[in-house]
Amino acid sequence: LAKTTQPVSMDSYEGQEVNITCSHNNIATNDYITWYQQFPSQGPRFIIQGYKTKVTNEVASLFIPADRKSSTLSLPRVSLSDTAVYYCLVVGSSGSARQLTFGSGTQLTVLP
Amino acid sequence: EAGVTQSPTHLIKTRGQQATLRCSPISGHTSVYWYQQALGLGLQFLLWYDEGEERNRGNFPPRFSGRQFPNYSSELNVNALELEDSALYLCASSLVDAVQGNSPLHFGNGTRLTVT
Repeated sequence: LAKTTQPVSMDSYEGQEVNITCSHNNIATNDYITWYQQFPSQGPRFIIQGYKTKVTNEVASLFIPADRKSSTLSLPRVSLSDTAVYYCLVVGSSGSARQLTFGSGTQLTVLP
Repeated sequence: EAGVTQSPTHLIKTRGQQATLRCSPISGHTSVYWYQQALGLGLQFLLWYDEGEERNRGNFPPRFSGRQFPNYSSELNVNALELEDSALYLCASSLVDAVQGNSPLHFGNGTRLTVT
């Protein structure tokens, strides 16, 4: 079961690019990496998912190095509304516990 | 498409009582997952149901139980409520077994359970 480690918190300013890194040293061959965003009193919202290299969608990019032991969520030109907790989740059929266990998340605060 | 819906949005119970929380997954999703999120804390995995069967459970006592119905909706029951059960209970669904990795979870906005 891949355990994830993220920074507890990050601050940024509006219009800047934000990169949040997640470490998952014991990721298994079949595991995927998924990122979620959560606002207070709401359920987490899926942002992006990847297996290797780079994935981009309309809201974010996900960079995964060749060894896959970490991943970086990149949010371009953040706004105040991007203030939220961001979670990375590593999951795949190789996990013996087969539990979808979230890490502690990163509180991103975007300042004006 | 309609998202994951949970009911009720808020529930207030007294210690020792039972609580029943309900979840309707996105149409076509067969897997349902339950999480507990205490105030200011992360998501703790509770239960996973797929095709009507319990596939796995987290590190919670047996008074936390549930089931999945033939229409894939699900119910979480918490017996003998304790004060520390106060939390946001989140339900998520996925198209197929999310443990395969490439089927992300889609969450509802939860039921806020308060135990007094």
